[in-house]
Amino acid sequence: QSVLTQPPSASGTPGQRVTISCSGSSSNIGSNTVNWYQQLPGTAPKLLIYSNNQRPSGVPDRFSGSKSGTSASLAISGLQSEDEADYYCAAWDDSLNAVVFGGGTKLTVL
Amino acid sequence: QVQLQESGPGLVKPSETLSLTCTVSGGSISSYYWSWIRQPPGKGLEWIGYIYYSGSTNYNPSLKSRVTISVDTSKNQFSLKLSSVTAADTAVYYCARLKVGATATLYYYYYMDVWGKGTTVTVSS
Repeated sequence: QSVLTQPPSASGTPGQRVTISCSGSSSNIGSNTVNWYQQLPGTAPKLLIYSNNQRPSGVPDRFSGSKSGTSASLAISGLQSEDEADYYCAAWDDSLNAVVFGGGTKLTVL
Repeated sequence: QVQLQESGPGLVKPSETLSLTCTVSGGSISSYYWSWIRQPPGKGLEWIGYIYYSGSTNYNPSLKSRVTISVDTSKNQFSLKLSSVTAADTAVYYCARLKVGATATLYYYYYMDVWGKGTTVTVSS
Protein backbone atom coordinates (compact mmCIF):
# COMPACT_ATOMS: atom_id res chain seq x y z
CA GLN A 1 0.00 0.00 0.00
CA SER A 2 1.63 3.22 -1.19
CA VAL A 3 1.53 6.41 0.87
CA LEU A 4 0.47 8.41 -2.21
CA THR A 5 -2.53 7.17 -4.16
CA GLN A 6 -2.63 7.02 -7.95
CA PRO A 7 -5.03 5.27 -10.32
CA PRO A 8 -3.40 2.07 -11.54
CA SER A 9 -4.18 2.80 -15.16
CA ALA A 10 -5.10 5.56 -17.60
CA SER A 11 -5.58 5.66 -21.34
CA GLY A 12 -6.16 8.00 -24.23
CA THR A 13 -5.98 8.27 -27.98
CA PRO A 14 -3.29 10.18 -29.89
CA GLY A 15 -3.79 13.93 -29.64
CA GLN A 16 -6.00 13.67 -26.57
CA ARG A 17 -5.38 15.26 -23.18
CA VAL A 18 -4.97 12.90 -20.23
CA THR A 19 -4.64 13.64 -16.53
CA ILE A 20 -3.25 11.44 -13.77
CA SER A 21 -4.11 12.20 -10.17
CA CYS A 22 -2.03 11.76 -7.02
CA SER A 23 -3.61 11.97 -3.59
CA GLY A 24 -1.71 12.36 -0.33
CA SER A 25 -2.02 13.97 3.07
CA SER A 26 -1.01 17.01 5.06
CA SER A 27 2.34 15.44 5.95
CA ASN A 28 3.47 14.98 2.35
CA ILE A 29 1.73 16.76 -0.55
CA GLY A 30 0.11 19.24 1.82
CA SER A 31 3.49 20.31 3.21
CA ASN A 32 5.97 19.79 0.39
CA THR A 33 6.31 19.91 -3.35
CA VAL A 34 5.34 17.10 -5.72
CA ASN A 35 7.48 15.48 -8.38
CA TRP A 36 6.57 13.23 -11.28
CA TYR A 37 8.68 10.53 -12.90
CA GLN A 38 8.19 8.79 -16.24
CA GLN A 39 9.38 5.20 -16.64
CA LEU A 40 9.40 3.92 -20.21
CA PRO A 41 9.29 0.13 -20.55
CA GLY A 42 12.54 -1.51 -19.50
CA THR A 43 14.26 1.74 -18.55
CA ALA A 44 15.11 3.73 -15.45
CA PRO A 45 12.71 6.40 -14.21
CA LYS A 46 13.23 9.90 -15.55
CA LEU A 47 12.34 13.17 -13.81
CA LEU A 48 9.38 14.67 -15.63
CA ILE A 49 8.08 17.42 -13.32
CA TYR A 50 9.64 18.82 -10.15
CA SER A 51 8.45 21.30 -7.52
CA ASN A 52 4.81 20.80 -8.54
CA ASN A 53 4.98 22.36 -12.00
CA GLN A 54 8.55 22.80 -13.18
CA ARG A 55 9.85 20.97 -16.24
CA PRO A 56 13.51 19.93 -16.48
CA SER A 57 15.30 20.99 -19.60
CA GLY A 58 14.30 18.78 -22.51
CA VAL A 59 10.85 17.81 -21.25
CA PRO A 60 8.18 18.92 -23.75
CA ASP A 61 5.66 21.51 -22.62
CA ARG A 62 2.93 18.96 -23.37
CA PHE A 63 3.62 17.77 -19.83
CA SER A 64 2.38 19.94 -16.98
CA GLY A 65 1.87 19.53 -13.25
CA SER A 66 -0.32 21.16 -10.65
CA LYS A 67 -1.02 20.88 -6.94
CA SER A 68 -3.94 21.85 -4.76
CA GLY A 69 -4.08 21.08 -1.07
CA THR A 70 -3.19 17.43 -0.57
CA SER A 71 -3.61 16.39 -4.20
CA ALA A 72 -1.62 16.81 -7.39
CA SER A 73 -2.14 16.13 -11.06
CA LEU A 74 -0.05 15.43 -14.11
CA ALA A 75 -1.54 16.48 -17.44
CA ILE A 76 -0.35 15.30 -20.82
CA SER A 77 -1.73 17.13 -23.82
CA GLY A 78 -1.37 16.14 -27.46
CA LEU A 79 -0.88 12.52 -26.40
CA GLN A 80 1.70 10.60 -28.45
CA SER A 81 2.44 6.90 -28.71
CA GLU A 82 5.85 7.43 -27.11
CA ASP A 83 4.12 8.68 -23.94
CA GLU A 84 3.07 5.12 -23.17
CA ALA A 85 4.84 4.50 -19.85
CA ASP A 86 4.43 4.22 -16.10
CA TYR A 87 4.10 7.51 -14.23
CA TYR A 88 4.93 7.96 -10.55
CA CYS A 89 4.28 10.87 -8.23
CA ALA A 90 6.52 11.45 -5.22
CA ALA A 91 6.99 13.86 -2.33
CA TRP A 92 8.80 14.21 0.97
CA ASP A 93 6.79 13.04 3.96
CA ASP A 94 7.42 15.02 7.16
CA SER A 95 5.99 12.29 9.44
CA LEU A 96 7.94 9.41 7.93
CA ASN A 97 11.00 11.55 7.24
CA ALA A 98 11.24 9.85 3.88
CA VAL A 99 10.57 10.22 0.16
CA VAL A 100 7.25 8.54 -0.61
CA PHE A 101 5.98 7.39 -3.99
CA GLY A 102 2.60 6.71 -5.48
CA GLY A 103 1.95 3.19 -6.70
CA GLY A 104 2.32 4.27 -10.31
CA THR A 105 -0.09 4.73 -13.21
CA LYS A 106 0.30 2.76 -16.40
CA LEU A 107 -0.63 4.99 -19.34
CA THR A 108 -1.80 3.26 -22.49
CA VAL A 109 -2.06 5.12 -25.78
CA LEU A 110 -4.88 3.45 -27.71
CA GLN B 1 26.84 15.76 -17.88
CA VAL B 2 26.65 13.74 -14.69
CA GLN B 3 26.18 9.99 -15.15
CA LEU B 4 25.63 7.29 -12.55
CA GLN B 5 26.51 3.61 -12.79
CA GLU B 6 25.50 0.91 -10.32
CA SER B 7 27.70 -2.13 -9.78
CA GLY B 8 27.72 -5.20 -7.57
CA PRO B 9 26.73 -8.87 -7.39
CA GLY B 10 23.57 -9.83 -9.24
CA LEU B 11 22.88 -12.77 -6.94
CA VAL B 12 22.87 -12.75 -3.14
CA LYS B 13 22.02 -15.62 -0.80
CA PRO B 14 19.23 -15.27 1.78
CA SER B 15 20.41 -13.90 5.17
CA GLU B 16 23.55 -12.41 3.58
CA THR B 17 24.36 -8.75 2.91
CA LEU B 18 23.63 -7.06 -0.40
CA SER B 19 26.37 -4.60 -1.39
CA LEU B 20 26.17 -2.15 -4.29
CA THR B 21 28.27 0.78 -5.40
CA CYS B 22 27.28 3.79 -7.48
CA THR B 23 30.04 5.54 -9.42
CA VAL B 24 29.48 9.19 -10.32
CA SER B 25 31.15 10.43 -13.51
CA GLY B 26 31.07 13.75 -15.33
CA GLY B 27 30.84 15.72 -12.10
CA SER B 28 31.82 15.81 -8.46
CA ILE B 29 30.00 13.95 -5.72
CA SER B 30 30.59 16.92 -3.45
CA SER B 31 27.87 19.40 -2.53
CA TYR B 32 25.04 17.00 -3.42
CA TYR B 33 22.77 14.44 -1.85
CA TRP B 34 22.71 10.93 -3.29
CA SER B 35 20.00 8.33 -3.04
CA TRP B 36 19.15 4.66 -3.53
CA ILE B 37 15.76 3.51 -4.82
CA ARG B 38 14.58 0.00 -5.65
CA GLN B 39 11.82 -1.58 -7.72
CA PRO B 40 10.71 -5.20 -7.15
CA PRO B 41 9.71 -7.09 -10.30
CA GLY B 42 6.42 -5.78 -11.66
CA LYS B 43 5.99 -3.35 -8.76
CA GLY B 44 6.45 0.33 -7.97
CA LEU B 45 9.35 2.40 -6.71
CA GLU B 46 10.57 2.33 -3.11
CA TRP B 47 12.96 4.91 -1.70
CA ILE B 48 15.74 3.34 0.39
CA GLY B 49 17.62 6.36 1.70
CA TYR B 50 20.05 9.16 1.00
CA ILE B 51 23.51 10.35 1.94
CA TYR B 52 25.00 13.84 1.79
CA TYR B 53 28.55 14.06 0.47
CA SER B 54 29.66 14.96 4.00
CA GLY B 55 28.35 11.61 5.23
CA SER B 56 25.05 12.44 6.90
CA THR B 57 22.32 9.92 6.11
CA ASN B 58 18.58 9.35 6.24
CA TYR B 59 16.88 6.00 5.69
CA ASN B 60 13.40 4.73 4.93
CA PRO B 61 11.94 3.72 8.32
CA SER B 62 10.79 0.39 6.88
CA LEU B 63 14.40 -0.56 6.02
CA LYS B 64 16.35 1.47 8.57
CA SER B 65 17.44 -1.45 10.74
CA ARG B 66 19.10 -3.20 7.78
CA VAL B 67 20.45 -0.35 5.63
CA THR B 68 23.78 1.44 5.58
CA ILE B 69 24.69 4.02 2.94
CA SER B 70 28.24 5.35 2.81
CA VAL B 71 30.24 7.70 0.60
CA ASP B 72 33.82 7.75 -0.67
CA THR B 73 34.50 11.21 -2.06
CA SER B 74 38.03 10.27 -3.17
CA LYS B 75 36.56 7.71 -5.55
CA ASN B 76 33.43 9.71 -6.40
CA GLN B 77 31.34 6.76 -5.23
CA PHE B 78 28.62 5.99 -2.75
CA SER B 79 27.49 2.57 -1.59
CA LEU B 80 24.54 0.62 -0.26
CA LYS B 81 24.59 -2.28 2.16
CA LEU B 82 21.39 -4.15 2.99
CA SER B 83 21.75 -6.90 5.57
CA SER B 84 19.78 -10.07 6.26
CA VAL B 85 18.23 -10.13 2.82
CA THR B 86 15.25 -12.27 1.84
CA ALA B 87 13.49 -12.96 -1.44
CA ALA B 88 11.46 -9.79 -0.83
CA ASP B 89 14.63 -7.78 -1.43
CA THR B 90 14.85 -9.01 -5.02
CA ALA B 91 14.59 -5.89 -7.14
CA VAL B 92 16.20 -3.53 -9.59
CA TYR B 93 18.30 -1.12 -7.53
CA TYR B 94 18.81 2.42 -8.78
CA CYS B 95 21.15 5.12 -7.58
CA ALA B 96 20.24 8.75 -8.18
CA ARG B 97 21.27 12.32 -7.41
CA LEU B 98 18.86 13.93 -4.99
CA LYS B 99 18.11 17.64 -5.10
CA VAL B 100 17.09 19.02 -1.70
CA GLY B 101 15.95 22.49 -0.75
CA ALA B 102 13.08 24.79 0.08
CA THR B 103 10.96 27.15 -1.96
CA ALA B 104 10.49 30.82 -1.07
CA THR B 105 7.26 29.80 0.68
CA LEU B 106 9.09 27.12 2.72
CA TYR B 107 7.76 24.06 0.93
CA TYR B 108 10.54 21.51 0.87
CA TYR B 109 11.55 19.77 -2.30
CA TYR B 110 13.29 16.43 -2.64
CA TYR B 111 13.61 15.08 -6.16
CA MET B 112 15.90 12.70 -8.04
CA ASP B 113 17.10 14.48 -11.17
CA VAL B 114 19.76 12.07 -12.46
CA TRP B 115 19.35 8.29 -12.34
CA GLY B 116 21.57 5.33 -13.04
CA LYS B 117 20.36 2.60 -15.38
CA GLY B 118 19.76 0.23 -12.49
CA THR B 119 21.13 -3.15 -11.56
CA THR B 120 19.11 -6.30 -10.91
CA VAL B 121 19.73 -8.11 -7.65
CA THR B 122 18.18 -11.51 -7.05
CA VAL B 123 18.08 -13.06 -3.60
CA SER B 124 18.17 -16.82 -3.91
CA SER B 125 20.08 -19.80 -2.61
